[in-house]
Amino acid sequence: GQQLNQSPQSMFIQEGEDVSMNCTSSSIFNTWLWYKQDPGEGPVLLIALYKAGELTSNGRLTAQFGITRKDSFLNISASIPSDVGIYFCAGQLRNTDKLIFGTGTRLQVFP
Amino acid sequence: NAGVTQTPKFQVLKTGQSMTLQCAQDMNHNSMYWYRQDPGMGLRLIYYSASEGTTDKGEVPNGYNVSRLNKREFSLRLESAAPSQTSVYFCASGSNSPLHFGNGTRLTVT
Repeated sequence: GQQLNQSPQSMFIQEGEDVSMNCTSSSIFNTWLWYKQDPGEGPVLLIALYKAGELTSNGRLTAQFGITRKDSFLNISASIPSDVGIYFCAGQLRNTDKLIFGTGTRLQVFP
Repeated sequence: NAGVTQTPKFQVLKTGQSMTLQCAQDMNHNSMYWYRQDPGMGLRLIYYSASEGTTDKGEVPNGYNVSRLNKREFSLRLESAAPSQTSVYFCASGSNSPLHFGNGTRLTVT
């Protein structure tokens, strides 16, 4: 089936550092989404990307949808302790709400 | 504003027992989904319902059944639980929009 390759698998950084993670796919997606999951909770949407090449920011978060529609990256600037969690990319096919998820990036932030 | 509500939050079953995981959404969404989350594997789609009255298999449907009871509710049933079904189960809903997720049901099968 379709798969999203997400990297890195985990990151251990110091508070204040910038973070970058990315996803690639062999399939073309209509929409690319980034979710964050806190312990014991469900994923929560951070950013949605709808157009190839689109660059979108949400506070300290910036994400871009690749020109080929097969990849995306998420950057977090000036990390803080509450950024800790698992970040998932997800691709959404045309005319469906169904999502294909990446394997996640576990982020740890040390003070 | 409840969003997507899942019950129960935790469950322990013995091999061979059956149970139903409940999910309800109050956002009038057409589509509903059941995912399972296992370490290192992200979320994998078990079953989904694109609209009331329809259900379809996802990536890992074996050992599960679903019922779209009405527009609000979508249940997941394990007829004979197996240890391989130990996981965290998430329900989600959407309507031509990014999915909204519940807070999960943590299931352990011994």
